[in-house]
Amino acid sequence: DGGITQSPKYLFRKEGQNVTLSCEQNLNHDAMYWYRQDPGQGLRLIYYSQIVNDFQKGDIAEGYSVSREKKESFPLTVTSAQKNPTAFYLCASSIDWGQAFFGQGTRLTVV
Amino acid sequence: QQQVKQSPQSLIVQKGGISIINCAYENTAFDYFPWYQQFPGKGPALLIAIRPDVSEKKEGRFTISFNKSAKQFSLHIMDSQPGDSATYFCAASPTGGGNKLTFGTGTQLKVEL
Repeated sequence: DGGITQSPKYLFRKEGQNVTLSCEQNLNHDAMYWYRQDPGQGLRLIYYSQIVNDFQKGDIAEGYSVSREKKESFPLTVTSAQKNPTAFYLCASSIDWGQAFFGQGTRLTVV
Repeated sequence: QQQVKQSPQSLIVQKGGISIINCAYENTAFDYFPWYQQFPGKGPALLIAIRPDVSEKKEGRFTISFNKSAKQFSLHIMDSQPGDSATYFCAASPTGGGNKLTFGTGTQLKVEL
């Protein structure tokens, strides 16, 4: 059963803590993306990767980091430098010009 | 700078009516325009998409109309049903940009009985 799996579904972070969100795909897609969704602001691109071991900053990369060591995996770390991390995080993948498939999201809350 | 402007922010339609959501873009390099449907707590799912070589694309009850000169595109949902109640996002991506999408701010659609 192909698709994108994000985990965990809910995540709570304390002030000053780094947390890592997982994203795995078995669609054999080269490109993967991380978006942040806030109410009334649509989806904003954090980072994207079009090939293993390479990634680029999106529009709101500050306070986030990623790695792409395997084609299937694109984890996102929300660092303590991200001052307003509470949001819904969405991972996506696509072939170069094809449909972007999204995971079910991780809701991160600062406590 | 918001490159894709979407309206309205929310929309209430009676069952069986037509839902219309509009988007306008600024970047002339955009050449792929998808619409996504999102239910609460879920990831967006592709509904329908268009490229600028056609002015209209229809899939079932969903139609995209595209006006390249005006840099506008719209989603029409015919015979709207309560199950269509969701948030709809338009998006656009540029030539050579892979699928690096720029999204509109979303329209929350409610279809009433």
